[in-house]
Amino acid sequence: DTGVSQDPRHKITKRGQNVTFRCDPISEHNRLYWYRQTLGQGPEFLTYFQNEAQLEKSRLLSDRFSAERPKGSFSTLEIQRTEQGDSAMYLCASSKEGLAGAKETQYFGPGTRLLVL
Amino acid sequence: AQSVTQPDIHITVSEGASLELRCNYSYGATPYLFWYVQSPGQGLQLLLKYFSGDTLVQGIKGFEAEFKRSQSSFNLRKPSVHWSDAAEYFCAVGAWSNTGKLIFGQGTTLQVKP
Repeated sequence: DTGVSQDPRHKITKRGQNVTFRCDPISEHNRLYWYRQTLGQGPEFLTYFQNEAQLEKSRLLSDRFSAERPKGSFSTLEIQRTEQGDSAMYLCASSKEGLAGAKETQYFGPGTRLLVL
Repeated sequence: AQSVTQPDIHITVSEGASLELRCNYSYGATPYLFWYVQSPGQGLQLLLKYFSGDTLVQGIKGFEAEFKRSQSSFNLRKPSVHWSDAAEYFCAVGAWSNTGKLIFGQGTTLQVKP
């Protein structure tokens, strides 16, 4: 169990550019979450995958944001036409779906810190 | 709607002193609750969780938390703080729904004085 990994750890880009982040969950975890954390705030939910299906998206996820999990393993989060307001830490978490009614624990990756100039 | 409030944005304690970080939640049903810790520039590490059963839960690094339904609280405690405990602490509530997404408080920054 190597934990949740994210790449890159840091990204600096210019306004208007596109960026893509990758998340590799803990193996055998079928649930994957993306959160965004701005300075001085707690993480905010962006989107959720169960296997390869994206089952929920937050209103925070504008149409410039897209997330995929093509084979139910790793996931990518792409931001098109970045804006300065997109500067934040992007956190990925994974969990294993339990039996019906059982709650799960989400394990977080180290995050990707994005700075848009 | 679900929400989590951490009333103390910043707390300073002396090394060896006891610690209590407050967390209040708003949720219409029985919640499940977490405390996570985040060191600067790092992801979140799980300290402890409450799903059901015993309302006093033990976690890693000597932390414990008590779920009090009547007060809608889940306060984190440690009897003796170490300098390495300096970090940001987040309380989170999960929904008994299909997604399992977490709602986080805004965090409490802990500073430890030598």
